Amino acid sequence: QVQLEQSGGGLVKPGGSLRLSCVTSGFSFSNYFMSWVRQVPGKGLEWVAYMSGSGRSLFHADSVKGRFSISRDNAKNTLYLEMNSLRVEDTAVYYCARDGLVVVGSLDVWGQGTTVTVSS
Amino acid sequence: EIQMTQSPSSLSASVGDRVTITCRASQSISDYLHWYQHKSGRAPRLLIDSASSLQSGVPSRFSGSGSGKDFSLNISSLQPEDFATYYCQQSYSTPWTFGPGTKVDIK
Repeated sequence: QVQLEQSGGGLVKPGGSLRLSCVTSGFSFSNYFMSWVRQVPGKGLEWVAYMSGSGRSLFHADSVKGRFSISRDNAKNTLYLEMNSLRVEDTAVYYCARDGLVVVGSLDVWGQGTTVTVSS
Repeated sequence: EIQMTQSPSSLSASVGDRVTITCRASQSISDYLHWYQHKSGRAPRLLIDSASSLQSGVPSRFSGSGSGKDFSLNISSLQPEDFATYYCQQSYSTPWTFGPGTKVDIK
């Protein structure tokens, strides 16, 4: 069974850092692009970053570029999101998601979400 | 960046109603358009990819159509479990972008 299990959220002060993890199982992790998507309270979904299966191709949204970094450890079947210089506006539920194998960018499996709260 | 719009932003409907949600891209995106269902407190669920390809396990009352800039999601007969927010999303070019969502609630 394909599963994405997230951890690492919490409360952090502005300017602080957090690392989110997404442990996967049930599929060949290294074959898939993976993404992070967030939902600010009361708002819609916002795509944050993606990384190819090999890790050679990656992209970050402008809103997080230079502050957030997506990475992966294929030996551990785990996706990460390193978040630095956090701002109040980064408060959101963060989801990891698997990209479709054929249609990259269609997010066909999602983690349960983890809440990040940035507040003083 | 490709902008996505959806209409309506919300709608009230009854069980058994036919519902149509439209999505428009600011430029042509071929068929790189996907639809998600999102219920509060749960992970989003991919319903349709590539504009019209129904995901495995998704009921056949859901269908998608369109190409280029204009797309639609149809629910042929609304069921109680369909009350949720629906998002379109393009993956034609980065950054991938979502529409603002359409909230479907009970009339």
